[in-house]
Amino acid sequence: QKEVEQDPGPLSVPEGAIVSLNCTYSNSAFQYFMWYRQYSRKGPELLMYTYSSGNKEDGRFTAQVDKSSKYISLFIRDSQPSDSATYLCAMTWYSSASKIIFGSGTRLSIRP
Amino acid sequence: DTAVSQTPKYLVTQMGNDKSIKCEQNLGHDTMYWYKQDSKKFLKIMFSYNNKELIINETVPNRFSPKSPDKAHLNLHINSLELGDSAVYFCASSQGSGGAGETQYFGPGTRLLVL
Repeated sequence: QKEVEQDPGPLSVPEGAIVSLNCTYSNSAFQYFMWYRQYSRKGPELLMYTYSSGNKEDGRFTAQVDKSSKYISLFIRDSQPSDSATYLCAMTWYSSASKIIFGSGTRLSIRP
Repeated sequence: DTAVSQTPKYLVTQMGNDKSIKCEQNLGHDTMYWYKQDSKKFLKIMFSYNNKELIINETVPNRFSPKSPDKAHLNLHINSLELGDSAVYFCASSQGSGGAGETQYFGPGTRLLVL
């Protein structure tokens, strides 16, 4: 079993829809949770991070963490065609030299 | 003013060859990383260096050897290339010592195809 599981998709929704992307994890030591966005043929870029259970909002994006269920989500409101990309969840634990464990990514397509 | 750059962007080579990928960051960051992303988009760390010192060395074949001549550069040399080495290799950097919570900035990737 992988430490981080993510549905690879692809997920296709119409413009304006609310998108929900999810990951589950098995290592309860994870404390920092991130979402990276990767456009085609580009490197990943950090979208959001959080280190506690609950919600964190940034514009149209909301990151949600439920440590008791080992489940994290990213919600995108009013989705735009420019949101079409692969979204990678990622997580790590606190140490002076942590390594990030990535999910396999969900490919998202927003139809105009 | 590219933050993290990699050369080459594409690399097509024969099995058994030796090749190098170069990475440079102009962000003044102290820590640099090499990741491998396979065909299923699974991104996995290989190495990280902090101020030219190796701090993460994942279980990768010893055919892969990173070298950091200074903290702005991290190169990856691969000996005796195999078909399974075909992937996209990403370089990344972060400001601090590589700890949790640091934002990592990724380069554009080097697409390696071994024939």
